[in-house]
Amino acid sequence: QKEVEQNSGPLSVPEGAIASLNCTYSDRGSQSFFWYRQYSGKSPELIMFIYSNGDKEDGRFTAQLNKASQYVSLLIRDSQPSDSATYLCAVSSSGGSYIPTFGRGTSLIVHP
Amino acid sequence: ETGVTQTPRHLVMGMTNKKSLKCEQHLGHNAMYWYKQSAKKPLELMFVYNFKEQTENNSVPSRFSPECPNSSHLFLHLHTLQPEDSALYLCASSHNDGYTFGSGTRLTVV
Repeated sequence: QKEVEQNSGPLSVPEGAIASLNCTYSDRGSQSFFWYRQYSGKSPELIMFIYSNGDKEDGRFTAQLNKASQYVSLLIRDSQPSDSATYLCAVSSSGGSYIPTFGRGTSLIVHP
Repeated sequence: ETGVTQTPRHLVMGMTNKKSLKCEQHLGHNAMYWYKQSAKKPLELMFVYNFKEQTENNSVPSRFSPECPNSSHLFLHLHTLQPEDSALYLCASSHNDGYTFGSGTRLTVV
């Protein structure tokens, strides 16, 4: 049984701070890692994906992957109230046709 | 709009009704999916279609019946649902890695 674990939160951070969202996974064969953002009442939206160990930066977002420790994280710098949402971690075994396993999501609240 | 369109956005149906959810994508993706999202639970994969062929049925009750007439359209036919089937039903499509989700159908069974 492949599992993806996330702390459900809520994680509350002040505006301008760094929000750190963490995800662990059970399948050592996992190859592809995704972060989705889901606003309340909306559908998930892909914001980051990472395949290799290390960091990947895109604007205020940084995804960090450590395959040896089986965790992937998402850092949001200079957090804004508009970043308040649920962040879903998803992990799949390989690129292409493999179905990802989703975590329950972490609720992030950025307060002014 | 994400490129994946779902209709209707909201649906209230009785337990004896029959209704259908529709999903349409014009992204050129070759795989389409139905997911169920209930409160406090991870996304639950229901069905997968690759090039119009069903490749996965994740032990979904027969009161949910998918149909994929072509690689751009996906339906979910519903009949004799239960109140616990009330949830957000999400359609997604993919080509390589990463999904594009539709806006979802908020289903309430009364």
